Amino acid sequence: AQSVTQPDIHITVSEGASLELRCNYSYGATPYLFWYVQSPGQGLQLLLKYFSGDTLVQGIKGFEAEFKRSQSSFNLRKPSVHWSDAAEYFCAVAPNQGGKLIFGQGTELSVKP
Amino acid sequence: DAGVTQSPTHLIKTRGQQVTLRCSPISGHKSVSWYQQVLGQGPQFIFQYYEKEERGRGNFPDRFSARQFPNYSSELNVNALLLGDSALYLCASSNIQGTSEKLFFGSGTQLSVL
Repeated sequence: AQSVTQPDIHITVSEGASLELRCNYSYGATPYLFWYVQSPGQGLQLLLKYFSGDTLVQGIKGFEAEFKRSQSSFNLRKPSVHWSDAAEYFCAVAPNQGGKLIFGQGTELSVKP
Repeated sequence: DAGVTQSPTHLIKTRGQQVTLRCSPISGHKSVSWYQQVLGQGPQFIFQYYEKEERGRGNFPDRFSARQFPNYSSELNVNALLLGDSALYLCASSNIQGTSEKLFFGSGTQLSVL
């Protein structure tokens, strides 16, 4: 069965520091991969997605993610974190272009001044 | 244009009661999906509807049901509520059948079961 693991439940970084959020997936073939962000009281906003092609994907708000097939990983990165980036981040997979998303449990990001 | 709208935003029910949650998709979107997000966990897929027909169902008991109307709005019904049904219920819409590519999520309905 497909699954997604986000090993870090909570991460704290200083404003201006770099960020990397980890995501590992379990799936037989190359899945469709996503990163979403959720602010308190809000729904989910898509940051970026990977379907095929270039394994380094650029998203909104200065985020990027790299797909590594050998490691079954899709880690999210940002070179310089802003206080407004504090939120919950979810990695998700879909077994194909259609149908349901399978989410990880999320990583809560705190940003200290 | 308005995004995905859900109502009510908050709801308190007691065990055994029934609840109906509502979702209006983005104008022009014909596909609606429902997700349950329990506190501290990622969202879990419940249903997907397209053109008023069920196109996918997650691993939820029969107490959960949904429907989609001719105007593409949708309702999620939960019968015989349990404490464990307390969660944020998210609705997402898309203009493409059965796609996970372009999903737009609403802010959700926070259901508390006492």
